[in-house]
Amino acid sequence: GAVVSQHPSRVICKSGTSVKIECRSLDFQATTMFWYRQFPKQSLMLMATSNEGSKATYEQGVEKDKFLINHASLTLSTLTVTSAHPEDSSFYICSARDGRGGRVQTDTQYFGPGTRLTVL
Amino acid sequence: QQPVQSPQAVILREGEDAVINCSSSKALYSVHWYRQKHGEAPVFLMILLKGGEQKGHEKISASFNEKKQQSSLYLTASQLSYSGTYFCGTERAQGGSEKLVFGKGTKLTVNP
Repeated sequence: GAVVSQHPSRVICKSGTSVKIECRSLDFQATTMFWYRQFPKQSLMLMATSNEGSKATYEQGVEKDKFLINHASLTLSTLTVTSAHPEDSSFYICSARDGRGGRVQTDTQYFGPGTRLTVL
Repeated sequence: QQPVQSPQAVILREGEDAVINCSSSKALYSVHWYRQKHGEAPVFLMILLKGGEQKGHEKISASFNEKKQQSSLYLTASQLSYSGTYFCGTERAQGGSEKLVFGKGTKLTVNP
């Protein structure tokens, strides 16, 4: 149990285009999803927290108009990088948690496999 | 506030033991341990919620001190598959939306 998928796993795009990344909890309902980015050899930096049906809460320094997050259902959250630039190239990872104590451990965040974004 | 992990890196021979520490200046609600291999997402190892708690899975175990400000991860008789970067993530309070703050990681290399 507690499987989280991300799609796509890799994406290469041209500067100025938008990219959408999907995060799905496959066998549990995620009341909260988190989006992280990770630069090479560095720690995971939280970008935003999203609760199903609510607007995402962004961390300081993260542009909400650039990184659009939607959490429309209990199993799906999307991150759209708008007008991507080379400095947005990174490893984007989502995690999901069921805060109600359903099929999975309440306090645990389960990570997706990540999406490597390269902006040319 | 980012927890402090130590050491930054460890190199072991197969079969040796290692300890990775994670410290906070304030009391925590929980500590989560993850292992990440190069190019992959972090994999959950265990979570500690209670002061004085100790948990283990096979030859990997962890403790959370009574004051809930420090946790240690113990790797016993290390295997090649233990190689990777270990992160602790800490929470200050309980709650579904409560965020994890990750340490900078400890890179563990296990050589034959």
